[in-house]
Amino acid sequence: RKEVEQDPGPFNVPEGATVAFNCTYSNSASQSFFWYRQDCRKEPKLLMSVYSSGNEDGRFTAQLNRASQYISLLIRDSKLSDSATYLCVVNGSPGGGADGLTFGKGTHLIIQP
Amino acid sequence: DAMVIQNPRYQVTQFGKPVTLSCSQTLNHNVMYWYQQKSSQAPKLLFHYYDKDFNNEADTPDNFQSRRPNTSFCFLDIRSPGLGDAAMYLCATSRGGTGLILREQYFGPGTRLTVT
Repeated sequence: RKEVEQDPGPFNVPEGATVAFNCTYSNSASQSFFWYRQDCRKEPKLLMSVYSSGNEDGRFTAQLNRASQYISLLIRDSKLSDSATYLCVVNGSPGGGADGLTFGKGTHLIIQP
Repeated sequence: DAMVIQNPRYQVTQFGKPVTLSCSQTLNHNVMYWYQQKSSQAPKLLFHYYDKDFNNEADTPDNFQSRRPNTSFCFLDIRSPGLGDAAMYLCATSRGGTGLILREQYFGPGTRLTVT
């Protein structure tokens, strides 16, 4: 089983729509969860941390479900500029270290005008 | 602005010729990481420094080494680059957490390595 698993997409979504991604993780001891955004040929940039109680930042909402070991990202009123790859990130590395992050392969989102 | 800087942004090296990539940061973060990212794949952690302590991932080849002479700088040395080492190399920093709590990481723009 992969450490962090995401639907690679692409998700083609009309501008203004709401879109949601899920991500599952295998390490039940993980304590830190993040969503990163990566544009083509650029570095990942932190979108938001994911807290146990869920958190919202403008049009973005993240949820954590520890029992089922998944996190979700909801984007409301999507903009053309939201087109990117969204990386689900969980602490704990395949090599065993707790200080590293394990990245999913990302979900590719395309917002269409 | 505080940031993570990587030099060079693009590096071309020959098969087997040693190459060094550099990373510097003005965030004063105590943890620095090196990731390898190949096309359409997730970033893969190679190793990290927690202060001066070096932590190598179990599956990182011996061909990859790192040095951290001070808080601000960290280097990635590839001793004998192979064609399969062509990738984007990302440096990241974070403030170290405790136990399994890990704070968010901030990435540099990356160095794209080509091996000819």
